[in-house]
Amino acid sequence: EDQVTQSPEALRLQEGESSSLNCSYTVSGLRGLFWYRQDPGKGPEFLFTLYSAGEEKEKERLKATLTKKESFLHITAPKPEDSATYLCAVQAERGGSNYKLTFGKGTLLTVNP
Amino acid sequence: KAGVTQTPRYLIKTRGQQVTLSCSPISGHRSVSWYQQTPGQGLQFLFEYFSETQRNKGNFPGRFSGRQFSNSRSEMNVSTLELGDSALYLCASSLGGNAETQYFGPGTRLLVL
Repeated sequence: EDQVTQSPEALRLQEGESSSLNCSYTVSGLRGLFWYRQDPGKGPEFLFTLYSAGEEKEKERLKATLTKKESFLHITAPKPEDSATYLCAVQAERGGSNYKLTFGKGTLLTVNP
Repeated sequence: KAGVTQTPRYLIKTRGQQVTLSCSPISGHRSVSWYQQTPGQGLQFLFEYFSETQRNKGNFPGRFSGRQFSNSRSEMNVSTLELGDSALYLCASSLGGNAETQYFGPGTRLLVL
């Protein structure tokens, strides 16, 4: 059974205060790890896909990294508009056709001005 | 390019009724996945369709069903609604290959009374 655990559940930061969100995963084989951002009442918005350990991707104030057991989403000098729930998901190898994403419960990030 | 669209956006039903939700994928995407999102369970995979065929199915009762049409549009149906079916139902589309990014629609908010 694939498992994804995100921590912390909630994080409150001051504007400009950098931090990291964690996503630990257990899968038999990883095809891809995905980060999404979700605003209240909206669908998840795609941020990054990581495929193999050591890979890093950046977009504005966000940087995602991947190891064999976990991924981090680093937020540098956050702004209030970065406030959202950040979701991590994995797609596992199943020796054939597996296209489902297994999601963690998310980290609710609040950035105060 | 237009994103994933879902209709209706909001629904109120009573126990025992049935409901049909619709999803139009991004142009050129042949895979549509459906997820249920609740505060307690987070995002859970329902099923995935590709070229009108169900490729993957999650652990939901048979009351939840879906289909995909030749133009890649998809519908999901829930029969004999229960109070616990109240949730945000999200669909996501992708090109359909391994570890392809899934892009989410805004969701349909279903309330069962």
